[in-house]
Amino acid sequence: EVQLVESGGGLVQPGGSLRLSCEASGFTFRSYWMTWVRQAPGKGLEWVANINQDGSEKYYVDSVKGRFTISRDNAKNSLYLQMNSLRAEDTAAFYCARMVVTATGENWFDPWGQGTLVTVSS
Amino acid sequence: QSALTQPRSVSGSPGQSVTISCTGTSSDVGGFNYVSWYRHHPGKAPKLMIYDVSKRPSGVPDRFSGSKSGNTASLTISGLQAEDEADYYCSSYAGRYTYVFGTGTKVTVL
Repeated sequence: EVQLVESGGGLVQPGGSLRLSCEASGFTFRSYWMTWVRQAPGKGLEWVANINQDGSEKYYVDSVKGRFTISRDNAKNSLYLQMNSLRAEDTAAFYCARMVVTATGENWFDPWGQGTLVTVSS
Repeated sequence: QSALTQPRSVSGSPGQSVTISCTGTSSDVGGFNYVSWYRHHPGKAPKLMIYDVSKRPSGVPDRFSGSKSGNTASLTISGLQAEDEADYYCSSYAGRYTYVFGTGTKVTVL
């Protein structure tokens, strides 16, 4: 069974740091792009970042550029999101998802994990 | 990177059809045929329902269909069932490996 399990969320003060992890199982992790998506309380989903198979390409939404870093360890089947200089507006449930990108360009997110909650508050 | 616009809510009785619109720009929805739709029950993992505008993943009922015209994509749920009650989000590729999601629509089964 293809599965993604996030961890690392919690309460952090503004300006603080947190590292999220996403452990993958049931598929060849090193063969897929991966992504992080977040949902602030009462808000919609927001794409945050993605990373290619070997970690050489990384892309971010403007609001987290310079503060968040996406990375992966293919030997550990794990995806990470290092979040620095956290702000109250970063409070959200963070989901990791597998990106399917075909040779002809089609792309979508499937499956998703159940999420980990990050709360930025003093 | 502005969110795609969806109606806040739609509702229908069991057996009826509902359609959710997703409006973007020529830089996202209108520029690529890479619109996908996700069903999200709060507290659970979002689930892929439609990809590449109108393709259904294995296991998704054919009651779910997608389409696109210009800068607006649509998801139609036919034969509405109680289990369809959830939040639905569209997503579009926006170029240079970036993505944008819709504002989300709550589907209520009356």
